[in-house]
Amino acid sequence: AQSVTQLGSHVSVSEGALVLLRCNYSSSVPPYLFWYVQYPNQGLQLLLKYTSAATLVKGINGFEAEFKKSETSFHLTKPSAHMSDAAEYFCAVSDQDYKLSFGAGTTVTVRA
Amino acid sequence: NAGVTQTPKFQVLKTGQSMTLQCAQDMNHEYMSWYRQDPGMGLRLIHYSVGAGITDQGEVPNGYNVSRSTTEDFPLRLLSAAPSQTSVYFCASTPDRGHRNTEAFFGQGTRLTVV
Repeated sequence: AQSVTQLGSHVSVSEGALVLLRCNYSSSVPPYLFWYVQYPNQGLQLLLKYTSAATLVKGINGFEAEFKKSETSFHLTKPSAHMSDAAEYFCAVSDQDYKLSFGAGTTVTVRA
Repeated sequence: NAGVTQTPKFQVLKTGQSMTLQCAQDMNHEYMSWYRQDPGMGLRLIHYSVGAGITDQGEVPNGYNVSRSTTEDFPLRLLSAAPSQTSVYFCASTPDRGHRNTEAFFGQGTRLTVV
């Protein structure tokens, strides 16, 4: 069985500060990991995904994530937060039937 | 370029009523899924389908039925609505590209309240 755990349900950062969202996974097979973002009253859209080709993955809007097998982690970062980054972020892992197991989500608030 | 379309966007039901949430995709994707989103619990899989005529249960299937008669449509039926089914429901579709790191495409969601 595969699962993900997101540490911290709510993160508040100042505009221009580093955004760090934590995700740890549990998987008996090589994991296929994703970060999705949900803006208010919208569906989820893909931010980035781990493809095994590189451990540092770059996504949209300046976000990136690093896959660390030894730590079973796939943390999401952005060097400088923007007001438009205020959203809910979900880490997810995929199984062989494309079923996704999601973390509980982390809500990001950006302070001016 | 519609993608995944869900209807309705909002719905209020009385306890015991039944209804169908509609989901349609125009991308010819083989895989479709229904998730519910509840605060602090992320998204949980209700039912999924790997192709027309094939459906299976996810993590929280009780109280819901699905069918997949065509590639495009994957309706979710609430048989007898209960307040515990108050949630936001998302439909997703995924193309079969032969590897598990293929992204899912989500609809805009249906916000359901059962009173």
